[in-house]
Amino acid sequence: EAEVAQSPRYKITEKSQAVAFWCDPISGHATLYWYRQILGQGPELLVQFQDESVVDDSQLPKDRFSAERLKGVDSTLKIQPAELGDSAMYLCASSLALDRGKETQYFGPGTRLLVL
Amino acid sequence: AQSVTQPDIHITVSEGASLELRCNYSYGATPYLFWYVQSPGQGLQLLLKYFSGDTLVQGIKGFEAEFKRSQSSFNLRKPSVHWSDAAEYFCAVGSNYQLIWGAGTKLIIKP
Repeated sequence: EAEVAQSPRYKITEKSQAVAFWCDPISGHATLYWYRQILGQGPELLVQFQDESVVDDSQLPKDRFSAERLKGVDSTLKIQPAELGDSAMYLCASSLALDRGKETQYFGPGTRLLVL
Repeated sequence: AQSVTQPDIHITVSEGASLELRCNYSYGATPYLFWYVQSPGQGLQLLLKYFSGDTLVQGIKGFEAEFKRSQSSFNLRKPSVHWSDAAEYFCAVGSNYQLIWGAGTKLIIKP
């Protein structure tokens, strides 16, 4: 069964350093999502792509976070500089296409970030 | 504003007992409703979804959920839980090409 791949699984960094996370969606999935999940909370959408275009990045802290999906396939989320409050699980998900909220999202295993 | 409420932060159930996890939503139109499960340290997996039609929907792993429009609820049920069901469960509403998530309910299984 096809899966969403993410790397690394775990990342420890010091504050003010740069970190990057990678996501490879299920083949053929046009829509890609990056979420941040703080322990004990539901996922918070950071950015949503349709192919290589950003559909929504209204919750992305653009002073320090950036995301790209240059060829409309895999994607990278970057944080520079990292802050203590960025410690969280970063989840990537993909879906076949946008379908007015009906689309099933398939999640990767996530990257657990710890900022010291 | 659209929202999803999962009133129970934690629920403890004995193995073999029945389970009901509550989910209430606030949404103006016909909602698209989802339940996802997250095992410790893992991503989320879809359990079931409701778009229209029969208000009782069957999902994977023996779970089912019932949509009640009059109560704005979409509660998740399982007749007999197994230790492997210990996880966090999230209810979500599909809206404007995105999902609005509840805060989750952590299910603890007593042996």
